[in-house]
Amino acid sequence: KAGVTQTPRYLIKTRGQQVTLSCSPISGHRSVSWYQQTPGQGLQFLFEYFSETQRNKGNFPGRFSGRQFSNSRSEMNVSTLELGDSALYLCASSRDFSYEQYFGPGTRLTVT
Amino acid sequence: GQNIDQPTEMTATEGAIVQINCTYQTSGFNGLFWYQQHAGEAPTFLSYNVLDGLEEKGRFSSFLSRSKGYSYLLLKELQMKDSASYLCAVRDLAPGANNLFFGTGTRLTVIP
Repeated sequence: KAGVTQTPRYLIKTRGQQVTLSCSPISGHRSVSWYQQTPGQGLQFLFEYFSETQRNKGNFPGRFSGRQFSNSRSEMNVSTLELGDSALYLCASSRDFSYEQYFGPGTRLTVT
Repeated sequence: GQNIDQPTEMTATEGAIVQINCTYQTSGFNGLFWYQQHAGEAPTFLSYNVLDGLEEKGRFSSFLSRSKGYSYLLLKELQMKDSASYLCAVRDLAPGANNLFFGTGTRLTVIP
């Protein structure tokens, strides 16, 4: 069974641009959560999607948004990029009613 | 709000036992997780505690005291490959929530 995949793995953007990251969950997993990881703040929850609906949202500005498609693949978008958005963005998927989340390898975003 | 504390760094000797502590103060609690993350890799699930007590899984054990807001991860017979960051995370209480609140992680270095 394939694991969680994320594309692209690395990305360099300029301040003010926008970016879209993609996450494909493990087959059969309908929950997809997104996290931002930085050295200073650690892993912080962005949002969770389940069956194409945002189920939970963390404390991030509205520049961070996401969506989920009918095949459970998810995308997150960051608009008007800031230097502080440089981070590793991880997505995780889980089965229905399961507490265990499986993380993807992440997308390393660098904003210059 | 959520506040999760764990030591930033620890060093231990190969073959020894190490205990990584985690204290938490959260507005809701629906389980505590430990994840292992090697440098440059995705976090991988180690353990889940929702009731008080000790959960043992091979060389790793995790303990939870909900009344004290305290957990620890115990690693026995340390191996060099155990050098990694260990992340403590608490799951939100919201119905159907699948989002985790992470501490900043404890970087464990195992020395010969």
